[in-house]
Amino acid sequence: EDKVVQSPLSLVVHEGDTVTLNCSYEVTNFRSLLWYKQEKKAPTFLFMLTSSGIEKKSGRLSSILDKKELFSILNITATQTGDSAIYLCAVNYGGSQGNLIFGKGTKLSVKP
Amino acid sequence: DAGVIQSPRHEVTEMGQEVTLRCKPISGHNSLFWYRQTMMRGLELLIYFNNNVPIDDSGMPEDRFSAKMPNASFSTLKIQPSEPRDSAVYFCASSFSSGGPSAYNEQFFGPGTRLTVL
Repeated sequence: EDKVVQSPLSLVVHEGDTVTLNCSYEVTNFRSLLWYKQEKKAPTFLFMLTSSGIEKKSGRLSSILDKKELFSILNITATQTGDSAIYLCAVNYGGSQGNLIFGKGTKLSVKP
Repeated sequence: DAGVIQSPRHEVTEMGQEVTLRCKPISGHNSLFWYRQTMMRGLELLIYFNNNVPIDDSGMPEDRFSAKMPNASFSTLKIQPSEPRDSAVYFCASSFSSGGPSAYNEQFFGPGTRLTVL
């Protein structure tokens, strides 16, 4: 069964801390892995990863994919209260661009 | 750009009633997706359309759910009859696909419709 597993399910840190969110997957015919940030509304796109070992970076956020070990991590350095959100990992797989399976998400709470 | 538009934003109904959710994708996008999000199951793809044609509806939970896309700028998701377990946030998303086997094309999500079935 195709699946995407995220850990931890929730995390509470203080401003300035660095966090690492994990996403592992088992799918047939992997195409890409995506990270989304969901605050109170809809998910917003962060990164798409297709190749192993190439870090994607946007400000304090960065992500990397390991296609051999079937996982990805999302790092957030110098966290701020505005980083509080649910971070979703999704994997695009199969023969169609619409096959997208999401993990349950990691709820990050950043305390002042 | 107005983004993906969904209506209503909130819907409260009684068990057995018909519910219709509406979505207007971003102009120029040719793929449209319906998702459901619950605490228990997370975000699930229900159905998606490409060029107004349903491509994959394997995520539709049962016959009570149906979706249509009569034109490139409008889609509906209907639940008839609704049940309490259908309570969830329903998201519509759209993207532009250039066609053929290709990597994922970024999906833009609407604000969602929060459905409560009593």
